[in-house]
Amino acid sequence: GAVVSQHPSWVICKSGTSVKIECRSLDFQATTMFWYRQFPKQSLMLMATSNEGSKATYEQGVEKDKFLINHASLTLSTLTVTSAHPEDSSFYICSDPYGYTFGSGTRLTVV
Amino acid sequence: GQQLNQSPQSMFIQEGEDVSMNCTSSSIFNTWLWYKQDPGEGPVLLIALYKAGELTSNGRLTAQFGITRKDSFLNISASIPSDVGIYFCAGQLYPPVGYGGSQGNLIFGKGTKLSVKP
Repeated sequence: GAVVSQHPSWVICKSGTSVKIECRSLDFQATTMFWYRQFPKQSLMLMATSNEGSKATYEQGVEKDKFLINHASLTLSTLTVTSAHPEDSSFYICSDPYGYTFGSGTRLTVV
Repeated sequence: GQQLNQSPQSMFIQEGEDVSMNCTSSSIFNTWLWYKQDPGEGPVLLIALYKAGELTSNGRLTAQFGITRKDSFLNISASIPSDVGIYFCAGQLYPPVGYGGSQGNLIFGKGTKLSVKP
């Protein structure tokens, strides 16, 4: 089946720094990928949709300048958390555009 | 906006018991999906339902797409310890059209946490 590889699986960074999270589709090509955020004991909330060759589509309330999403190729989508703050600490997960395959998630801790 | 009500929030199981959980929505969906998420991992798709009334099984798991298109349930028969985890339902407005096509957003339920009875 389809595989989405997400890296890193966890990262600790200092406040004010930026962190990049990568999602690669290993055996399929996708013009879109979904990015979710999940706080402890809560459900997945869609943050944005990355679009290959065009700008990402952000959900209401998600800061575009803080969460930079780039869909560089048909197999790579990245989420960069810029100027991270402790409240950005969360579990970030990407998925293919159909909800069939999710990445393994990235636990971000900002200290 | 659209919301999914998933129940129960949590439940304790004893090995061998059958388990049932469901999701209801105020909106109609074209697709219902059920996932299991283990701690520190992404969700794993268990069953996908594309048609109202559809009943689909995957091993010990059975799920149904409600006839009104506003609800779905998941049953686990003869539970085993590795069934422990969090189960999410998700509704989707648009059916899949193949990779690279346009796709509607998934709306997730709040999850059902399955634990083992002490």
